[in-house]
Amino acid sequence: GAGVSQTPSNKVTEKGKYVELRCDPISGHTALYWYRQSLGQGPEFLIYFQGTGAADDSGLPNDRFFAVRPEGSVSTLKIQRTERGDSAVYLCASSFSDRAVRYFGPGTRLTVL
Amino acid sequence: QKEVEQNSGPLSVPEGAIASLNCTYSDRGSQSFFWYRQYSGKSPELIMFIYSNGDKEDGRFTAQLNKASQYVSLLIRDSQPSDSATYLCAVYSGAGSYQLTFGKGTKLSVIP
Repeated sequence: GAGVSQTPSNKVTEKGKYVELRCDPISGHTALYWYRQSLGQGPEFLIYFQGTGAADDSGLPNDRFFAVRPEGSVSTLKIQRTERGDSAVYLCASSFSDRAVRYFGPGTRLTVL
Repeated sequence: QKEVEQNSGPLSVPEGAIASLNCTYSDRGSQSFFWYRQYSGKSPELIMFIYSNGDKEDGRFTAQLNKASQYVSLLIRDSQPSDSATYLCAVYSGAGSYQLTFGKGTKLSVIP
């Protein structure tokens, strides 16, 4: 079946703008995760959803970052007042449960000018 | 703070040789261990996972886990140029933690 998909694949924005990044998980996966990966680093955990609720948002760097998953499938990561330091690849992953293997999407490369 | 350490490399091996990638972790309660392969500009792809002490083999790949020493390794036999990538070690602590903690990755280069 289809894997995790993410849109857009690339996003260039200006400092101070608002962006939304979308993730469509594998069908049937109830667990969804957002990670951020900077150059030369491993993925860094941002937030975990089990169904519609955010079970763990301890990785969100500050209140400019917010994510939703209103129907328990597609998730949107929202970043307000973007800063140059937000530039990174934002990865989404999904799994059957929090203990199951996580499958990653292709990522969205965000560049803040 | 839970940490996962990997030698960033690059690790260069000749084609056909065995590549050995190592990873240490700080949380003694960690339960599951994963190796992901990441080609440049691509997303991480699961290679193997291991839960129990000892070796787990899958084709040319062998994962080794030693919980007492808190290390996990990945051996790649008969290395091919197509194995050239960054290999990420990831550790799941379990016990109510949902976080999968990644190392920075080891860049492997297989020389033809």
